[in-house]
Amino acid sequence: GAGVSQSPRYKVAKRGQDVALRCDPISGHVSLFWYQQALGQGPEFLTYFQNEAQLDKSGLPSDRFFAERPEGSVSTLKIQRTQQEDSAVYLCASSTGTGVTGELFFGEGSRLTVL
Amino acid sequence: GQQLNQSPQSMFIQEGEDVSMNCTSSSIFNTWLWYKQDPGEGPVLLIALYKAGELTSNGRLTAQFGITRKDSFLNISASIPSDVGIYFCAGFYSGGGADGLTFGKGTHLIIQP
Repeated sequence: GAGVSQSPRYKVAKRGQDVALRCDPISGHVSLFWYQQALGQGPEFLTYFQNEAQLDKSGLPSDRFFAERPEGSVSTLKIQRTQQEDSAVYLCASSTGTGVTGELFFGEGSRLTVL
Repeated sequence: GQQLNQSPQSMFIQEGEDVSMNCTSSSIFNTWLWYKQDPGEGPVLLIALYKAGELTSNGRLTAQFGITRKDSFLNISASIPSDVGIYFCAGFYSGGGADGLTFGKGTHLIIQP
């Protein structure tokens, strides 16, 4: 597609459930990022992939969060045993090239609500 | 991580007015960026600045990279209804790696008819 595509757009989970959020980046974009955006806040970095390699996962808040990009295109962010504090919009972004410049193309986000 | 102070938090203006918002940091950045986010959408890049003192325009938008490399401002001239949204500044420090991009908390622009 022409832009970054994320699914599902909305997810409601009961506390303790596992969720999986999918990101389909712009075709040919090498770099892929996941951000978490809490209500009324700016996006906060979670993790970064260059092709299939996860080069930085320093922003993942706990070991319940796991991300993968096995073939260097589509990525999945998985959250195990969801907690209420995980409620947020999860944004995926991609960019051309292998360097990090800050110029990102964001998807529409997946809004997760944990009850 | 680095903290960005973005102000004002929200703005209520009349259509046709000019808008000014700014961002300050306690640390220096190599790049300043301004994004806009509409409800239910992801942020969209408006302007990127790469040099201290750089002044860049994109239509009715003008942004500057502060001389000290610790601040940036965004001006919007002659606001129109579609300017409504949340504007985020972001600073990038190239030595910080992928997590070197820090976003402010946003300025919520509301235009009153």
